[in-house]
Amino acid sequence: NAGVMQNPRHLVRRRGQEARLRCSPMKGHSHVYWYRQLPEEGLKFMVYLQKENIIDESGMPKERFSAEFPKEGPSILRIQQVVRGDSAAYFCASSPNQRSPGELFFGEGSRLTVL
Amino acid sequence: GESVGLHLPTLSVQEGDNSIINCAYSNSASDYFIWYKQESGKGPQFIIDIRSNMDKRQGQRVTVLLNKTVKHLSLQIAATQPGDSAVYFCAESSNAGGTSYGKLTFGQGTILTVHP
Repeated sequence: NAGVMQNPRHLVRRRGQEARLRCSPMKGHSHVYWYRQLPEEGLKFMVYLQKENIIDESGMPKERFSAEFPKEGPSILRIQQVVRGDSAAYFCASSPNQRSPGELFFGEGSRLTVL
Repeated sequence: GESVGLHLPTLSVQEGDNSIINCAYSNSASDYFIWYKQESGKGPQFIIDIRSNMDKRQGQRVTVLLNKTVKHLSLQIAATQPGDSAVYFCAESSNAGGTSYGKLTFGQGTILTVHP
């Protein structure tokens, strides 16, 4: 049973470009969470999605950031017109439901560098 | 706002010693607490968790203690090994109001360095 898969592992973008980060949850998991980790800080919640629905996006910046989890395919975190402050590690986690606290698993992360 | 924080940012121990990492939280509604280990370049790895109706839970070489009176959480690692060197994060969540347990609030992290 493969774990949470994220790609790309490393992404370099110039200011103003778009970044797309992908997350395939563990098999059988329909709940996906995105977190952002700035250097030397803890992870910060961004968004919680179920298939085809955004459940909680209270941690998402209002501008330039969007997330989706389509019926088929991976979850996508999209950052438009990236700025240097977007440089961070972005982690995805998945769970089978929202009521199983011990069943949340993280991927290895996607590290975005904005030049 | 609500937060979870750590007392010590770094901890250095000798191999074989016991390690204690502390964490304070401020959200009284928190009912679930987790410790994660994060090695360089990797994602958080689950270590141990505890629900608010418990005050102690033991795993393999690790023990988590919860003091709800003072909103304090600690992770004890017995016979620390060089492979335990990593950043350790506490995190909390709550299912109150239908919030998902997957929505975690993380602390800043403690860097544990184990010297051989």
